[in-house]
Amino acid sequence: EDKVVQSPLSLVVHEGDTVTLNCSYEVTNFRSLLWYKQEKKAPTFLFMLTSSGIEKKSGRLSSILDKKELFSILNITATQTGDSAVYLCLHDGGTSYGKLTFGQGTILTVHP
Amino acid sequence: DGGITQSPKYLFRKEGQNVTLSCEQNLNHDAMYWYRQDPGQGLRLIYYSQIVNDFQKGDIAEGYSVSREKKESFPLTVTSAQKNPTAFYLCASSPRYNQPQHFGDGTRLSIL
Repeated sequence: EDKVVQSPLSLVVHEGDTVTLNCSYEVTNFRSLLWYKQEKKAPTFLFMLTSSGIEKKSGRLSSILDKKELFSILNITATQTGDSAVYLCLHDGGTSYGKLTFGQGTILTVHP
Repeated sequence: DGGITQSPKYLFRKEGQNVTLSCEQNLNHDAMYWYRQDPGQGLRLIYYSQIVNDFQKGDIAEGYSVSREKKESFPLTVTSAQKNPTAFYLCASSPRYNQPQHFGDGTRLSIL
């Protein structure tokens, strides 16, 4: 059974701090790892990672995948209160229907 | 603007009643999905549909039913057989396989 584990489950920081969210996975047929940001209700897409060692970057957010050690990290630099959200890591098994295996999520709270 | 619309946002039903959650997308996506989110458990796949008039069970399909008569619509019925239906339900869609999924805003179902 495919498994995705995120850590920590919750994190509280102050504005300006840098945070690193972790995601480890055990899957039978790796295709891609995705990061989503869920605030209020609906998750929004952040990154899709398929190749090891290649950093994806979008503004203050960046993510990288290590396929040898089976993990990914999501970095957020100079955090802002608007970064407060649940961050979801999930594996896309890449079957024809795109079945996803979700981690539990990391709840990030950024205080002013 | 293209997107996914779930309705209603909040739904209350008495125990023993069937209830149908709506999901409509105008993204021209082939694939659609239903997830259930419970606190601390991430998202779990209920049903998915690769193409109109076709759908398959996900990991927790018992007590649920779906239909896909139109490409744009993928309604989910929570039947009285579902033992613990109170949860947050998310609908998603993707163009084809190996594409990130887009999510609706969700429906929170509470059984009285």
